[in-house]
Amino acid sequence: DAKTTQPPSMDCAEGRAANLPCNHSTISGNEYVYWYRQIHSQGPQYIIHGLKNNETNEMASLIITEDRKSSTLILPHATLRDTAVYYCIVRADNYGQNFVFGPGTRLSVLP
Amino acid sequence: DSGVTQTPKHLITATGQRVTLRCSPRSGDLSVYWYQQSLDQGLQFLIHYYNGEERAKGNILERFSAQQFPDLHSELNLSSLELGDSALYFCASSLYPNTEAFFGQGTRLTVV
Repeated sequence: DAKTTQPPSMDCAEGRAANLPCNHSTISGNEYVYWYRQIHSQGPQYIIHGLKNNETNEMASLIITEDRKSSTLILPHATLRDTAVYYCIVRADNYGQNFVFGPGTRLSVLP
Repeated sequence: DSGVTQTPKHLITATGQRVTLRCSPRSGDLSVYWYQQSLDQGLQFLIHYYNGEERAKGNILERFSAQQFPDLHSELNLSSLELGDSALYFCASSLYPNTEAFFGQGTRLTVV
């Protein structure tokens, strides 16, 4: 079972920041937070991951709360091409864990 | 482009038949994962191989099997196909089992 809770859907205006929340209140110390997205029926696309520090790359920023029980994925300037299902996944840093996908958040970027 | 190649992109076959889906991981990646996504369903983990050895099994039917070859490519074999096996099948690869995975564009299987 997925260890995360995400809102089923969100809207965002084009050009504005999209902030996607994720709750992972039972996260363990060795578990990372990963974000993927799936545009229509394409293969899921890796976005970013982090352990406890905030992370930023060319696609997005990941803000993890100090207690690590929740996080927010930020797309700084959403475009129509960012419309997708976004998945927040918690995964341990060992060789026995796989990526367990929940239902995710369907983000619609509106013109 | 993730660097993960899946073939074929589309496959239509009849019930009772057997098919093989192929996955070429990103150069250097040692882990390969297989996922199934039925229409309007979530991504279901099937199986994970690391450096040629099975690492974990998920909700994979007994009619399905997979292997990872010495050159690290992987094949997913689906036999005695049923209408309900129609789905997108995704392969993903990662350098190690505890690093980020990159997905291919999938094989769309239609069983008629």
